[in-house]
Amino acid sequence: GGIITQTPKFLIGQEGQKLTLKCQQNFNHDTMYWYRQDSGKGLRLIYYSITENDLQKGDLSEGYDASREKKSSFSLTVTSAQKNEMAVFLCASSEVANTEVFFGKGTRLTVV
Amino acid sequence: QEKVQQSPESLIVPEGAMSSLNCTFSNSASQSIWWYQQHPGKGPEALISIFSNGNKKEGRLTVYLNRASLHVSLHIRDSQPSDSAVYLCAVGGGSALGRLHFGAGTQLIVIP
Repeated sequence: GGIITQTPKFLIGQEGQKLTLKCQQNFNHDTMYWYRQDSGKGLRLIYYSITENDLQKGDLSEGYDASREKKSSFSLTVTSAQKNEMAVFLCASSEVANTEVFFGKGTRLTVV
Repeated sequence: QEKVQQSPESLIVPEGAMSSLNCTFSNSASQSIWWYQQHPGKGPEALISIFSNGNKKEGRLTVYLNRASLHVSLHIRDSQPSDSAVYLCAVGGGSALGRLHFGAGTQLIVIP
């Protein structure tokens, strides 16, 4: 088994601020993902990466940057926090695309 | 882009009853269908997956997939209060670099 660790668990930022969310996995998985979860809207893919230093845009990439410096870590940056993007951000990983995806517990973002 | 819709939005059943959740998707070439369970404050966890037309049973869970009607259902026999959670339907894309597309979820409440 393995675990996905997201830090921080709670993040409070000011409108316009640049904020970074971090994710580590010890599954040794190739593919990692960042999803955003809004109440009543399910999960929407922001970025994913199929290997170290690879980045693929998802459906919701505008306003975000991502970085995969090594296989075990994947970070997400909110380039300019807005009040309407308060949500839970979920990091996930899988062995390859289309296999079981394992999730972390999430980072809850609040913008004031 | 794959569209995934779930119904009902919420479901309340008494303990011991059968819970039935539905999901429709837009692409008959989708390779995999997954059901995830999410408890409050936790990340989603995979429950059961199906790749071929027909049904699959694991313990109290049964999944039915009908690709012709683009429909998949999850049935939980002998529902327990601990089954109370949000259930997410996820569909794997048809391309080699595909990733999961999620529905908005069904909130299941099992009353003791």
